[in-house]
Amino acid sequence: NAGVTQTPKFQVLKTGQSMTLQCAQDMNHNSMYWYRQDPGMGLRLIYYSASEGTTDKGEVPNGYNVSRLNKREFSLRLESAAPSQTSVYFCASRTGQPQHFGDGTRLSIL
Amino acid sequence: TQLLEQSPQFLSIQEGENLTVYCNSSSVFSSLQWYRQEPGEGPVLLVTVVTGGEVKKLKRLTFQFGDARKDSSLHITAAQTGDTGLYLCAGANAGKSTFGDGTTLTVKP
Repeated sequence: NAGVTQTPKFQVLKTGQSMTLQCAQDMNHNSMYWYRQDPGMGLRLIYYSASEGTTDKGEVPNGYNVSRLNKREFSLRLESAAPSQTSVYFCASRTGQPQHFGDGTRLSIL
Repeated sequence: TQLLEQSPQFLSIQEGENLTVYCNSSSVFSSLQWYRQEPGEGPVLLVTVVTGGEVKKLKRLTFQFGDARKDSSLHITAAQTGDTGLYLCAGANAGKSTFGDGTTLTVKP
């Protein structure tokens, strides 16, 4: 039972580089979410997809884009990485409650 | 923007003590979740409360949802070292969740 799988687990980028974070869920959930978590803070919603074919901005969307590739997969792209985007990124999925989270991608921008 | 304020931010206690964590908002939520997060892992759901005034118990953990569905509390009785972790509350509306900043709990033996 994989649940929500995120790749990669760790990544270091230079300022200005691009990167796509991958997320896949095997629970047939309709909705998927991308969050970032910074030290001493909770999770802040970047983008979400309520259902296949739809995406919407969350609380902190600037500097990010997303693609809901199919029902299973929801990717997050940084087109030109900035040091302020250094964070731990979590993907989640759900149908109803609760949300199920992946183990995160730890991203450092130098 | 819906905000959730969690307090305290940090809590360090001895094994066997009781504690309460609070989650407050000026917004009404359709449901509220409490999660526990271990280092290097994603949050794991502890409980969902839906009805105003609802109380749920999970072994030594007691969760309460405020009558107006704007606030919640988590009470742990006789804390154990295994309770150490980051506790997050999250209010849900319209398919989205707003998270508090978390309470880092350390239970010392």
